Amino acid sequence: GAVVSQHPSWVICKSGTSVKIECRSLDFQATTMFWYRQFPKQSLMLMATSNEGSKATYEQGVEKDKFLINHASLTLSTLTVTSAHPEDSSFYICSAKTSQGKAEYGYTFGSGTRLTVV
Amino acid sequence: KNEVEQSPQNLTAQEGEFITINCSYSVGISALHWLQQHPGGGIVSLFMLSSGKKKHGRLIATINIQEKHSSLHITASHPRDSAVYICAVRSVGNEKLTFGTGTRLTIIP
Repeated sequence: GAVVSQHPSWVICKSGTSVKIECRSLDFQATTMFWYRQFPKQSLMLMATSNEGSKATYEQGVEKDKFLINHASLTLSTLTVTSAHPEDSSFYICSAKTSQGKAEYGYTFGSGTRLTVV
Repeated sequence: KNEVEQSPQNLTAQEGEFITINCSYSVGISALHWLQQHPGGGIVSLFMLSSGKKKHGRLIATINIQEKHSSLHITASHPRDSAVYICAVRSVGNEKLTFGTGTRLTIIP
């Protein structure tokens, strides 16, 4: 089945530095990638939707200059948290849209990245 | 009121028990998904439903489109089934998912 590889699985960084999270589709072409954020014991919150070769669409309240999303190829999408602060500490997870047939599609999730900013 | 409501929020059961998790939604949907999130955070897609019933191993998912309701059942539950189960819907004409708040399931040996 479709697999999305997400790296790193966890990262600790100093306040003010930038962190890049990668999601790769291993055996399919991910034309659309969703990026989510999840706080402890809360549901997934959609941050942005990226389509290969075009600018990402950000949800209301998400700073596009802080959370840079690049989807330059059909197999790689990246999220860069710029000038990270402790309040950016969270669990970030990507999800790719996968074809299930003519009009159907599903979603395959990465394994997530736990970011801690100190 | 959330568009997707799940119940119960937490469920603890003994190994072997039959488990039911419910999901109600308020919008017209193209598909409903049941997801499993393990303690480490990774999410696995269990089922995608647009009608009827699907079965995979000990897991069964049903959906009633008219009543806007879906259930996830686990037969012969096992401690390894302990996880958060999330219902998510894709509304008509939209590729985004709307998530329920999840049901935390704990199966005691």
